[in-house]
Amino acid sequence: DTEVTQTPKHLVMGMTNKKSLKCEQHMGHRAMYWYKQKAKKPPELMFVYSYEKLSINESVPSRFSPECPNSSLLNLHLHALQPEDSALYLCASSLNPGSELSGKTDTQYFGPGTRLTVL
Amino acid sequence: GQSLEQPSEVTAVEGAIVQINCTYQTSGFYGLSWYQQHDGGAPTFLSYNALDGLEETGRFSSFLSRSDSYGYLLLQELQMKDSASYFCAVRPGANNLFFGTGTRLTVIP
Repeated sequence: DTEVTQTPKHLVMGMTNKKSLKCEQHMGHRAMYWYKQKAKKPPELMFVYSYEKLSINESVPSRFSPECPNSSLLNLHLHALQPEDSALYLCASSLNPGSELSGKTDTQYFGPGTRLTVL
Repeated sequence: GQSLEQPSEVTAVEGAIVQINCTYQTSGFYGLSWYQQHDGGAPTFLSYNALDGLEETGRFSSFLSRSDSYGYLLLQELQMKDSASYFCAVRPGANNLFFGTGTRLTVIP
């Protein structure tokens, strides 16, 4: 299994809803990532989990809450979102959490994303 | 902070060679990656350079000069399916990846 899967593919939610995005990989990767991508813009890093512990939070608002239940799963819990949060949310994983010399083993593999629309 | 600059758009003819440049300013540097993203798709990894020089993977090559804070992606024998956005991305630290603004490549017959 060499892929990262994400569910759902599309999600429409109101500003008062609570929803969760799910990401799964079975490649034995020990680092997992959440990115946000707006149309015609590059992906922006939100969170990094390294060995199931949150290692980077790029000043993301608290209405986004990540969770890593085990080494294969990554969730992103959403609550009280704003319309400007509408975007493609991408999950990625990499074999090693990273070191200067690990090179290609830190290649990030991306899932297909969840297209989120907040009304 | 980090900043990476790429041309916003490039057009090239099928069968030709195209080079996409990337210059960066970053607080730390572990390496430079290149990703391809088709419309509606996810970024897919193309190449990675941690050290100066050229890395070749099939039709794609990537070059890095750390002293010049510069890299490029070279695509040879262009095919129509190569039409996509191409992002350079820098690893300023061990775990994070910061993407450039992206270059939209259009391959024409």
